[in-house]
Amino acid sequence: KQEVTQIPAALSVPEGENLVLNCSFTDSAIYNLQWFRQDPGKGLTSLLLIQSSQREQTSGRLNASLDKSSGRSTLYIAASQPGDSATYLCAVRQSLQSISNFGNEKLTFGTGTRLTIIP
Amino acid sequence: GAGVSQSPSNKVTEKGKDVELRCDPISGHTALYWYRQRLGQGLEFLIYFQGNSAPDKSGLPSDRFSAERTGESVSTLTIQRTQQEDSAVYLCASSLFLETDTQYFGPGTRLTVL
Repeated sequence: KQEVTQIPAALSVPEGENLVLNCSFTDSAIYNLQWFRQDPGKGLTSLLLIQSSQREQTSGRLNASLDKSSGRSTLYIAASQPGDSATYLCAVRQSLQSISNFGNEKLTFGTGTRLTIIP
Repeated sequence: GAGVSQSPSNKVTEKGKDVELRCDPISGHTALYWYRQRLGQGLEFLIYFQGNSAPDKSGLPSDRFSAERTGESVSTLTIQRTQQEDSAVYLCASSLFLETDTQYFGPGTRLTVL
């Protein structure tokens, strides 16, 4: 059974600093990995999606890396801003070879990192 | 167009009562997912619909939980004889059939069982 862990559970940094959020998963046979952002009272917003064949993806100040063999992903946020304050979740989707039935669309989520950017 | 909507946004109920949670997916999205997020825990997958069929019900925690979808549109998650451990935010997401990597999430329903 896939397990996804995120460390730390909470992080506070001053505005302007660069930061890294970590995600680890136990089953390396993944199809892809996504990073989401969750704001209070709102749904999840997908930030970056990395296919299993890719090493990283970039969008603006965000960069996500994937090391499938070691079961790790990082989300790097450059020049943090107060508006970046949110909970960040990573989620993996299993590859077809590691499941026995239709339904690989299921995402397994980590517990999240609650990020606070201090103005 | 409009995103995924869920109703009610908040629901407080007494232990033992039944509740129904509703999800309106994005029009044209054939795939629909229900997740549960309990306080301090990650999102748990509950059930997945492709059209009106549910090929994956593996996440439903007990037989008190059921879900249906009609017209390849609205879905209802029903929890019977609610227990305090059912208290959570219930999130719904939808996606196009061939683009299931891109799930659009609703704002969730916060359920509190007293």
